[in-house]
Amino acid sequence: DAGVIQSPRHEVTEMGQEVTLRCKPISGHNSLFWYRQTMMRGLELLIYFNNNVPIDDSGMPEDRFSAKMPNASFSTLKIQPSEPRDSAVYFCASSSRMTGARQPQHFGDGTRLSIL
Amino acid sequence: DAKTTQPTSMDCAEGRAANLPCNHSTISGNEYVYWYRQIHSQGPQYIIHGLKNNETNEMASLIITEDRKSSTLILPHATLRDTAVYYCIVRSSGNTPLVFGKGTRLSVIA
Repeated sequence: DAGVIQSPRHEVTEMGQEVTLRCKPISGHNSLFWYRQTMMRGLELLIYFNNNVPIDDSGMPEDRFSAKMPNASFSTLKIQPSEPRDSAVYFCASSSRMTGARQPQHFGDGTRLSIL
Repeated sequence: DAKTTQPTSMDCAEGRAANLPCNHSTISGNEYVYWYRQIHSQGPQYIIHGLKNNETNEMASLIITEDRKSSTLILPHATLRDTAVYYCIVRSSGNTPLVFGKGTRLSVIA
């Protein structure tokens, strides 16, 4: 089975440019999570969706960050304009909302973002 | 979700059992204990989870104390590929986000 697919795997761009990260969750999963990992702050949640609806975006650092989930099989995380401090590894994860179960989250391999 | 405490780092000889402890003294009755690991440059990988009974799967065993205030993840025969950061996470709901601490950096040594 295909896991969570993220693209691109690496992105290097200049400060001020728009960056779009993409995620395809596991088929049948209806919860999707965006996390960011840095050396200073570790792994932290940015936003998550249930059934394509954003539930908690309190982790989104600023208005420069936005996330969408137009359908059950695709999500984007956009940064506009980007800044050097946005450099990090961004992970997408998905899980199933089976009633009464404690379903684990499955993570993609991440997008390593470098803003120069 | 309850806070967890883990040692910063541990070493284990290849082929031996790796026992990774986790304290979660404020865990409440409906909270599960989850273990994930992160191998360098990869996304976190789910290992195992449990509520109060001991659990075993193809990757590891999870031993939860009777009072549920601590647990131990056991990798029965550690290999070099088990070198990773291991995260113990307490979580109350199946679809809420994971809150990661600093984890334990396990080094398996040949």
